[in-house]
Amino acid sequence: SQQGEEDPQALSIQEGENATMNCSYKTSINNLQWYRQNSGRGLVHLILIRSNEREKHSGRLRVTLDTSKKSSSLLITASRAADTASYFCATKISSGSARQLTFGSGTQLTVLP
Amino acid sequence: GAVVSQHPSRVICKSGTSVKIECRSLDFQATTMFWYRQFPKKSLMLMATSNEGSKATYEQGVEKDKFLINHASLTLSTLTVTSAHPEDSSFYICSAAKPGGNTEAFFGQGTRLTVV
Repeated sequence: SQQGEEDPQALSIQEGENATMNCSYKTSINNLQWYRQNSGRGLVHLILIRSNEREKHSGRLRVTLDTSKKSSSLLITASRAADTASYFCATKISSGSARQLTFGSGTQLTVLP
Repeated sequence: GAVVSQHPSRVICKSGTSVKIECRSLDFQATTMFWYRQFPKKSLMLMATSNEGSKATYEQGVEKDKFLINHASLTLSTLTVTSAHPEDSSFYICSAAKPGGNTEAFFGQGTRLTVV
């Protein structure tokens, strides 16, 4: 079953605007990761935030993590048309030896030129 | 970054035939690889965990005789869709993580399977 739920399901913005996507999860995690998927392609890793971190930056990306609320957000600043893609959060659970990721439902971002 | 190569990227097959999809880690050894299925505009659903040198671990509801997984070497896992039916048409993606556990996963390019 999918652990993560993302909102919004779809987001359409103008180039230059910021895009914010949210992810909620249910169980304790070791880390949370964000991935991007262009249509019909594989996933590309964007950023990983560990459970003891609250905020992380990478270029135009800013990720926050609130473990008390079991939620994360991904902010893309100064968006570009090339940012158009689906964005997924994925969690790595804390318990056991499981190494697989559990993916959220995804947000389809459209950046209009 | 590390590279995972998946082949083929697209395949069309007739109902009743079998299709093999390969997933290779090109620059690291992967004792564990993962196979996902993705429906249009949906998230990734984990099908099975492929373990080098041992049997794959399948998720609940995934038929192991339908989706055969072989992980014969540290750099190659294969998924064979046996006796394919139109409802097996989907996008299949593999991933692998470097040894060490809590790091990012690297994904193949995906395979679009169409069963006619």
